[in-house]
Amino acid sequence: NAGVTQTPKFRVLKTGQSMTLLCAQDMNHEYMYWYRQDPGMGLRLIHYSVGEGTTAKGEVPDGYNVSRLKKQNFLLGLESAAPSQTSVYFCASSYSSSPEQYFGPGTRLTVT
Amino acid sequence: GENVEQHPSTLSVQEGDSAVIKCTYSDSASNYFPWYKQELGKGPQLIIDIRSNVGEKKDQRIAVTLNKTAKHFSLHITETQPEDSAVYFCAASINTGGFKTIFGAGTRLFVKA
Repeated sequence: NAGVTQTPKFRVLKTGQSMTLLCAQDMNHEYMYWYRQDPGMGLRLIHYSVGEGTTAKGEVPDGYNVSRLKKQNFLLGLESAAPSQTSVYFCASSYSSSPEQYFGPGTRLTVT
Repeated sequence: GENVEQHPSTLSVQEGDSAVIKCTYSDSASNYFPWYKQELGKGPQLIIDIRSNVGEKKDQRIAVTLNKTAKHFSLHITETQPEDSAVYFCAASINTGGFKTIFGAGTRLFVKA
C-alpha cells in the first residue's frame, strides 16, 4: 500500500494565482483531513471530510475550498493565493471508528 | 476553543539520557491523546497514543502518562538514541462526527552522540 500520497511536493505561486492540491489514500479510510503547518504553530485543520460528497470547515478554512468526489481523493483548492498561504500542507486520513490519523509527506507551497 | 500547550519547544539531551515532553489541554471532553514524530521533510507519524480511560501506556523505550484531572499528559523517551532526534507533537482529540484534533506547537528534540 502507498498509504497517503500528495501531489505536488513543491509549488511556487504568484499572488492571485490558483491551484489544487491532491491527496489520495488507498486504505479505504472514510475520513480525510487537510492541515497546514507553520513554524511554531503545530498543525492547524483547514477542512475535513467524513465521507464521499461531504466536507466541513476546520480551524482555518478561509481562502480554501475542498472537494471529495471519490472516497480515496480529497482536493484542496486555493482560488486566489496570498502570501499568508505560504506553508507546508499535510493531508491525513483515518477510519471512522478510530481517531488515529495517517499523514501524507506534505506539499511545500510558497506564494510570492 | 480547545487549546493544547506543549513544552519545551526545544530539548537537547545526551545519548542514553531520558527526554520528557509535557502538554496541557483545555477541553475536558477530549478523550484521545496521540503523539507524533516528524522527521525532516516527512509527514508526522504516530508513535504512541493514550485514551482517556488509561493513565499510562508504554511501548519499549517510549511511554505516555495522562492526568485527566489536571488536563495534562507527557511523553517519556528513555535511553535516547541519535535517531530519536526529530520534532514531536502532542495532540488532543474529540469525536464530533469527524475527529477534531488540536496539535501542540511541537518540541524539537536533539540527541547528541
